[in-house]
Order: sequence, then C-alpha cells, then structure tokens
Amino acid sequence: KAGVTQTPRYLIKTRGQQVTLSCSPISGHRSVSWYQQTPGQGLQFLFEYFSETQRNKGNFPGRFSGRQFSNSRSEMNVSTLELGDSALYLCASSLGMDGYTFGSGTRLTVV
Amino acid sequence: AQKVTQAQTEISVVEKEDVTLDCVYETRDTTYYLFWYKQPPSGELVFLIRRNSFDEQNEISGRYSWNFQKSTSSFNFTITASQVVDSAVYFCALEGGTSYGKLTFGQGTILTVHP
Repeated sequence: KAGVTQTPRYLIKTRGQQVTLSCSPISGHRSVSWYQQTPGQGLQFLFEYFSETQRNKGNFPGRFSGRQFSNSRSEMNVSTLELGDSALYLCASSLGMDGYTFGSGTRLTVV
Repeated sequence: AQKVTQAQTEISVVEKEDVTLDCVYETRDTTYYLFWYKQPPSGELVFLIRRNSFDEQNEISGRYSWNFQKSTSSFNFTITASQVVDSAVYFCALEGGTSYGKLTFGQGTILTVHP
C-alpha cells in the first residue's frame, strides 16, 4: 500500500515569492496534517484537514494556508516567503484510530 | 496547553548497550495519546508506538520497550542491545483528546550508536 506522498522533495524559492506544496495521503485516510520542522523551533503544527474542512490550526501567520480536496489530497501555500520559512515541511495522514503516517517531506529553501 | 520535554538532547552509546530515552509531558486533558517517532537522516518520521492515556500497560516490541507512568507524566522508551541502525533522532509526541491531528512534539533526542 502506497505511503504518504509529498511533492516536490526539494524546492528553492526567492524571498517574496509564494510556494505550493502537495500531499497525497494513504488511500482511505481522510485526515491530513501539516508540520514545519526547523533546527531552532523543532516540529510545529501548522493545520489539520478532515473531509475538506480545517479542524485545527497552529500559531502561524496568515501567509500560511492550506486546503484539502474531495480526494483527500492536500496542499499548503506560503505567500510572501521569508528567509525564516526555510524548513522541512512534513505532511501526515491518519485514519483516525491509529497513529499518523508521515511523508518524506518537502525541503524548502528560501534565498 | 500541551508540552513535551525530552531532556536528553544527545545520547551516544556503543553497540549492544541498552539505552533509555526520557519523555515527560504536560496536559490538562483527561484523554490523550502519546507517541514515539524515529527520524532517520532521510527525514521521514517513522511511527513506533501510540498509547492512550487509559492504557498504562508497558509494551515490548522486539528490542523496543515503553514505560508509561501517569503518576510521573512520563513515557520513556528503551532500546535493548542497541544497533548502529538505531542511530536517528527520536521524538516523543502528545495529542490531546480533542486536538484533531495536532501533535505536540518534544525537541527530540539524537541517538548515535557506535560500532
């Protein structure tokens, strides 16, 4: 069974640009969560979607947004990129009764 | 607010030694879930265990074991007879009963197992 797929794996963007990251959950999983991982702040929760509805949101500025489609695939968008947005962005999917399965992440570098 | 503390930033052991990774948590929820994840250099978080707050039984899975003690708000992880392949960053995490997908992670413990 396919795992959680995140694309792209690596991304380099310039300050001020915007970026969209994609996450395809495990088939049948309807919950998708996003996390940002940086050396300084560790793993921080961004938001969670279930059946196209955002159920929970972390403490990030409005530049960070997301959405989920009817097939459970999710995207997150960061607008007006800042150097501090450089991070590994991880997506996780869940069936709701077990643990969360994470993807390999998208490593974003802002220059 | 939820909080997870992994006091050990780095641990270095020699192969075949036993090693325990500490995790202490704080939550006001009566129902919650505790997790351990392993992050190898590739970056993916690998799920190891999920434990709910009503189940204080210790668990053993091969060389891995977990000790959950609500009285001390701890959920420690022991690797018996460590191997070089166990080298990774290990994260303890907490999910509150109504947190909907929000895991609060500790800062992680870097484990290095030397041959």
